[in-house]
Amino acid sequence: DVKVTQSSRYLVKRTGEKVFLECVQDMDHENMFWYRQDPGLGLRLIYFSYDVKMKEKGDIPEGYSVSREKKERFSLILESASTNQTSMYLCASSRRQNNEQFFGPGTRLTVL
Amino acid sequence: QQPVQSPQAVILREGEDAVINCSSSKALYSVHWYRQKHGEAPVFLMILLKGGEQKGHDKISASFNEKKQQSSLYLTASQLSYSGTYFCGTGDGSARQLTFGSGTQLTVLP
Repeated sequence: DVKVTQSSRYLVKRTGEKVFLECVQDMDHENMFWYRQDPGLGLRLIYFSYDVKMKEKGDIPEGYSVSREKKERFSLILESASTNQTSMYLCASSRRQNNEQFFGPGTRLTVL
Repeated sequence: QQPVQSPQAVILREGEDAVINCSSSKALYSVHWYRQKHGEAPVFLMILLKGGEQKGHDKISASFNEKKQQSSLYLTASQLSYSGTYFCGTGDGSARQLTFGSGTQLTVLP
């Protein structure tokens, strides 16, 4: 059974803290994505990666960075968390272009 | 720019039909449809590629009109299990990523 896992379901952090969100997929997919989901705004792409060490900015990259050192793992980093980064974060993976994306269960991050 | 989905929300009785639309201001190469149930991850339904094809499985089908830059998802004889939020994701062919709409919340009542 294909699987995308995320390190935490719920996370509470303080303003200014550095936050790491981890995502692992076991399908040998080339592409990996980080989205944030907010009510009424749908899924907005933060960053994606199409290969190890490769990354591209999505629609809302400000305040975030990413790391992909291994094919199966894609990390989202909030260098200095702020309250407006409180959101649901979803990781996804897919084979190359125009293939279905498989989503992880999400991490609900609250920044106080 | 995000594609526009309509309606934003729809409530049906079991057995009724529904149509969800997805329109883009940009030329489209592909359209993906996903369904997300409350508290769960989005799940892929289908993908339509440039060429105006129509696809379907079970009682859910979709069409893609590249000239009008829009896609429609058709849910026929809806079941309780169809409840959830439906998202379209559009691709322009030049990039690897999708741009998702804000979603349509579908509620099927018994």
